[in-house]
Amino acid sequence: QKEVEQDPGPLSVPEGAIVSLNCTYSNSAFQYFMWYRQYSRKGPELLMYTYSSGNKEDGRFTAQVDKSSKYISLFIRDSQPSDSATYLCAMSEHNNAGNMLTFGGGTRLMVKP
Amino acid sequence: DVKVTQSSRYLVKRTGEKVFLECVQDMDHENMFWYRQDPGLGLRLIYFSYDVKMKEKGDIPEGYSVSREKKERFSLILESASTNQTSMYLCASSLHRDRSNQPQHFGDGTRLSIL
Repeated sequence: QKEVEQDPGPLSVPEGAIVSLNCTYSNSAFQYFMWYRQYSRKGPELLMYTYSSGNKEDGRFTAQVDKSSKYISLFIRDSQPSDSATYLCAMSEHNNAGNMLTFGGGTRLMVKP
Repeated sequence: DVKVTQSSRYLVKRTGEKVFLECVQDMDHENMFWYRQDPGLGLRLIYFSYDVKMKEKGDIPEGYSVSREKKERFSLILESASTNQTSMYLCASSLHRDRSNQPQHFGDGTRLSIL
């Protein structure tokens, strides 16, 4: 079993839909959670960064962490065709010398006009 | 904004060649990383470095080596390229070894094909 599980998709939604992307993990020591967006033929770019449980909002994006369930989510409101990309979750432990991250495999999202 | 630059976007090499992939970051980051990304396998860590002349093996170091002679530059070397090293290679950097949990910032990758 992988340490971080993420449905590879593809997830296809119409423009304007609310998108929910999710990751589950097994390591209860993970404290820091990140979402990266990766467009085709480009490197991952950091989208959201959260610590421990709770919600964080940035424009149309909301990151949610439920540590009791070992489950994190990224919500995209009013999705746009430009949101079509692969979304990677990543996480790390506290006191993590060297900033090592554990990544999910990524979910491919397609937003249709 | 952090800028991580990989010298080549696309590279085609032959089996047995020695291949150099270069990465430069402009934010004085201490930590640098090399990953490969393959469909169905996700990101896998090859090597990382905390400081100049320091290197640590990641999950899949076999067939690779690295060099970090200057803080801003981290090179990945394929000693004798093989076809199973055809992949997307991603370089990343993060701020400081002793400031834990800094996010990593990625370059745009080098798509390497070994014929």
